[in-house]
Amino acid sequence: GQQLNQSPQSMFIQEGEDVSMNCTSSSIFNTWLWYKQDPGEGPVLLIALYKAGELTSNGRLTAQFGITRKDSFLNISASIPSDVGIYFCAGLKSGGSNYKLTFGKGTLLTVNP
Amino acid sequence: SQTIHQWPATLVQPVGSPLSLECTVEGTSNPNLYWYRQAAGRGLQLLFYSVGIGQISSEVPQNLSASRPQDRQFILSSKKLLLSDSGFYLCAWSSGGLETQYFGPGTRLLVL
Repeated sequence: GQQLNQSPQSMFIQEGEDVSMNCTSSSIFNTWLWYKQDPGEGPVLLIALYKAGELTSNGRLTAQFGITRKDSFLNISASIPSDVGIYFCAGLKSGGSNYKLTFGKGTLLTVNP
Repeated sequence: SQTIHQWPATLVQPVGSPLSLECTVEGTSNPNLYWYRQAAGRGLQLLFYSVGIGQISSEVPQNLSASRPQDRQFILSSKKLLLSDSGFYLCAWSSGGLETQYFGPGTRLLVL
């Protein structure tokens, strides 16, 4: 089946540092989504990417949809303690069962104040 | 604006007991609805999705079932819970034709 390889699995950083995480796949996706999940809560959508090469920002967050449609990255600049959580990438292929997202396994981010 | 609710937030049930988790969406009509299970804080597994009332697609064989009695209501059920049914259950919705899914707050289920 389809798989998204998300890395790193976890990160421990100091407050103020920049963060970068990415997802890759052997399959082409037409949509890439990035979510953040706080402990005990549902994932919250951070950024949605719909076009190959698209670069989108949301405050300190920046995400890009790879030109090949097989990868995406998420950057967080000047991290703060509330950035702690699990970050998931998710991809969607068009056609067929186009309702189903494929999720990465998540990147656990810890920010030390 | 659209909101999604899940009930209950937490549930502790004995093995062999029935289960009913509810998800409701407000502020949109004819949404696509989804049930996911998340184990150990990672890895969302799609269990069921629905594109309309009474239309349920199952993704994995399991001890659970889903129903959609109303346009904006999605129910996850079981007749007899197993220990392995413990986990964090998330409901999500998307607007037909758009891919972005929005998640509810989740229900934490512990089967003892």
